[in-house]
Amino acid sequence: DIQMTQSPSSVSASVGDTVTITCRASQDISSWLAWYQQKPGKAPKLLIYAASSLQSGVPSRFSGSGSGTEFTLTISSLQPEDFATYYCQQGNSFFLTFGGGTKVEIK
Amino acid sequence: EVQLLESGGGLVQPGGSLRLSCTSSGFTFTNYAMIWVRQAPGKGLEWVSTIGGGGTPTHYADSVKGRFTISRDNSKNTLYLQMSSLRAEDTAVYYCAKYRLGGPPPRDFDYWGQGTLVTVSS
Repeated sequence: DIQMTQSPSSVSASVGDTVTITCRASQDISSWLAWYQQKPGKAPKLLIYAASSLQSGVPSRFSGSGSGTEFTLTISSLQPEDFATYYCQQGNSFFLTFGGGTKVEIK
Repeated sequence: EVQLLESGGGLVQPGGSLRLSCTSSGFTFTNYAMIWVRQAPGKGLEWVSTIGGGGTPTHYADSVKGRFTISRDNSKNTLYLQMSSLRAEDTAVYYCAKYRLGGPPPRDFDYWGQGTLVTVSS
């Protein structure tokens, strides 16, 4: 199975900051990488698909990049509603895997 | 408007069985692969199973293979997860989700249900 390693596991930031989250795959997954946002008690929400494509309705301060085994999610000008947990997910094979999550907390 | 609504969760004893349902609306259900994902209390997301739009192919995580069965009734726009030989470590919120584009292999998921809690305990 493909393992997905996210870092950091948590980050403290202030409103207006830029936050970068990294996700590494244990093998080449091309660009089959998605990012989700999850708030407590809620279902995950798709932010980015195919590594860098912004899902409809998602603010442009969210961006994704990378290919192969290394990927990043960048949140520019952090807003109060962005404090949440973020997960990457590989879609390169039928056997899907998620990263361990990154909690973005208020500093 | 796309909607997914899970049901069937609850408290079950170790070794017991439970069937989860995910009722969908707002899209042509038969055209889309679907998945089940679970989240243990305070933990991250774990993929459980995938099913193609026509009912095949199906795939399972090693942690549930041989114990869980995914299926769908396209005439009822409903996805199922039959869970048997349940263990304490199966305790989680179970989500169903729809593949963004359509047929397998499913890459990413644009709509999710609200989740249903399964608790395995004596």
